[in-house]
Amino acid sequence: DSGVTQTPKHLITATGQRVTLRCSPRSGDLSVYWYQQSLDQGLQFLIQYYNGEERAKGNILERFSAQQFPDLHSELNLSSLELGDSALYFCASSVGAGGNTIYFGEGSWLTVV
Amino acid sequence: EDKVVQSPLSLVVHEGDTVTLNCSYEVTNFRSLLWYKQEKKAPTFLFMLTSSGIEKKSGRLSSILDKKELFSILNITATQTGDSAIYLCAVIMNYGGSQGNLIFGKGTKLSVKP
Repeated sequence: DSGVTQTPKHLITATGQRVTLRCSPRSGDLSVYWYQQSLDQGLQFLIQYYNGEERAKGNILERFSAQQFPDLHSELNLSSLELGDSALYFCASSVGAGGNTIYFGEGSWLTVV
Repeated sequence: EDKVVQSPLSLVVHEGDTVTLNCSYEVTNFRSLLWYKQEKKAPTFLFMLTSSGIEKKSGRLSSILDKKELFSILNITATQTGDSAIYLCAVIMNYGGSQGNLIFGKGTKLSVKP
């Protein structure tokens, strides 16, 4: 158990809908990262927050947004869902803004039908 | 463009074999290299390498970094079926770009047959 908690574990929803994935980082970690992993793809970096502020942005679609709250938990919002958004979404956390080992949650498996 | 390349992409061996997984990188401002093992779900941390030539060991797994030639290897000796997984290599940079400060390779899928 890495200490990073993600909910829900599985989610099935229809195209066009909106979902919110939630992540609680390890105790003491200030950075939260979001990654997308599809069947034939490696881990695709979406976005990083550090202590409530956006730190780095990757290949995150405009339909997706994220935030980190004062208690350091984070949410990833996915809207106008398409079939191609079906993937495993990982949250990870680390102590600092960069240069530290990151620890992954168990992931949220999203299926869009 | 910063990148991390792992090879082979997939590998099938038999129990008891020794395997070597490769990770090469081209990044600006390298800081450290990480190895992860991904089975069914979350990648789990194996090693963090920052200095060249210093081997990290954990049981049957070991890893070493060569900062001059820009690569790392992960060795697994006396493989077991439980070693079957995707092994991910990631490089930490000192500053974040479009990929943040951490870039992952696509992974090596290892299958160990009984």
